[in-house]
Amino acid sequence: DQQVKQNSPSLSVQEGRISILNCDYTNSMFDYFLWYKKYPAEGPTFLISISSIKDKNEDGRFTVFLNKSAKHLSLHIVPSQPGDSAVYFCAASSMEYGNKLVFGAGTILRVKS
Amino acid sequence: DAGITQSPRYKITETGRQVTLMCHQTWSHSYMFWYRQDLGHGLRLIYYSAAADITDKGEVPDGYVVSRSKTENFPLTLESATRSQTSVYFCASSDPGQGTRAFFGQGTRLTVV
Repeated sequence: DQQVKQNSPSLSVQEGRISILNCDYTNSMFDYFLWYKKYPAEGPTFLISISSIKDKNEDGRFTVFLNKSAKHLSLHIVPSQPGDSAVYFCAASSMEYGNKLVFGAGTILRVKS
Repeated sequence: DAGITQSPRYKITETGRQVTLMCHQTWSHSYMFWYRQDLGHGLRLIYYSAAADITDKGEVPDGYVVSRSKTENFPLTLESATRSQTSVYFCASSDPGQGTRAFFGQGTRLTVV
């Protein structure tokens, strides 16, 4: 049973508009959440993270929102750029489980120019 | 160069053969991980290591063996390759001082024929 779920396999957005990628989790022990970005033939690279004690974290065009009661987080990209086209993975971890990350299945984002 | 490197980048092997994927990191991170990426499953943890000579199973360990005699190296061996092990394999490392943020290698694309 997947503990981290990204229910949208793909998302297509026009350049300049907002991209919203969603992620749900089932394990209430998770206390740290991360987003990774992956281009073809490359390894995933860290994008942004959020601790469970916060509900929002912002870094430039990227903002992550956390709703603990709903066990839901989202990544907002504003404005979206063609270079943002990639696979985005949501990941979660817990101090109880050491440094292991549990990943979702990923969402392919296509930003059209 | 500093970082985390995997070798080979691409490998084709036959069913039943033993194959070893190499991973080397220069940061002296205590944690190292092996993930496999498959469509619809995202990144799934195969094995991880908290320190030299300490390894533990992840979500999908069957058919794989790891060792970690030195902090910087974490090889993954497929003892008798099967077609179901055709995948892209990613090595990663992290350090507790930086939370659970992991740094990934570029991946090894393995095809078992």
